[in-house]
Amino acid sequence: GNSVTQMEGPVTLSEEAFLTINCTYTATGYPSLFWYVQYPGEGLQLLLKATKADDKGSNKGFEATYRKETTSFHLEKGSVQVSDSAVYFCALSEGNTGNQFYFGTGTSLTVIP
Amino acid sequence: GAGVSQSPRYKVAKRGQDVALRCDPISGHVSLFWYQQALGQGPEFLTYFQNEAQLDKSGLPSDRFFAERPEGSVSTLKIQRTQQEDSAVYLCASSPGNVRIGELFFGEGSRLTVL
Repeated sequence: GNSVTQMEGPVTLSEEAFLTINCTYTATGYPSLFWYVQYPGEGLQLLLKATKADDKGSNKGFEATYRKETTSFHLEKGSVQVSDSAVYFCALSEGNTGNQFYFGTGTSLTVIP
Repeated sequence: GAGVSQSPRYKVAKRGQDVALRCDPISGHVSLFWYQQALGQGPEFLTYFQNEAQLDKSGLPSDRFFAERPEGSVSTLKIQRTQQEDSAVYLCASSPGNVRIGELFFGEGSRLTVL
């Protein structure tokens, strides 16, 4: 079956620190991979995506590379800001219609000044 | 508004009551999804509509859960005879088309607490 496993939190970092949130997946075919972010008091929103192996998604200084050989899609940012404090969800979508998204449990990030 | 709107934002129900949760997707979006998010967990798929057709309801946990989208726009998730284990945030998301390469646009959710 399809599933996503992501690093448990919570994660607390100082401003300008390097961030990595690990995500691995299990899929029967060739999924698309996503990172969604949920800021306090807001709905989930797409942060970045990659639709095939070796693709790199990037947005707002965040990056993730679709690694088929390790079935991973780790999220990284070189220098976090207080405004990055949020919950991050790794997700995959598979199938002809991709109408089912499989989400990880979420990783809470707090960045302190 | 321009985003996905859900109502009510908070609902407290006594065990055994019926509840109805509403979702107004982004205008023109073909696909609509319902997810259930328990505390500390990721969203779990409930059901999927393409226009007015419910194409996948495999995630609905029991026959007490029912969803409809009669005119291909607004959707309602109904939970009959609520139980304490139904307490969760119910998320609605919409998408203009095929979500395999696109993205889901989420509402802020409806938090249901069953006493």
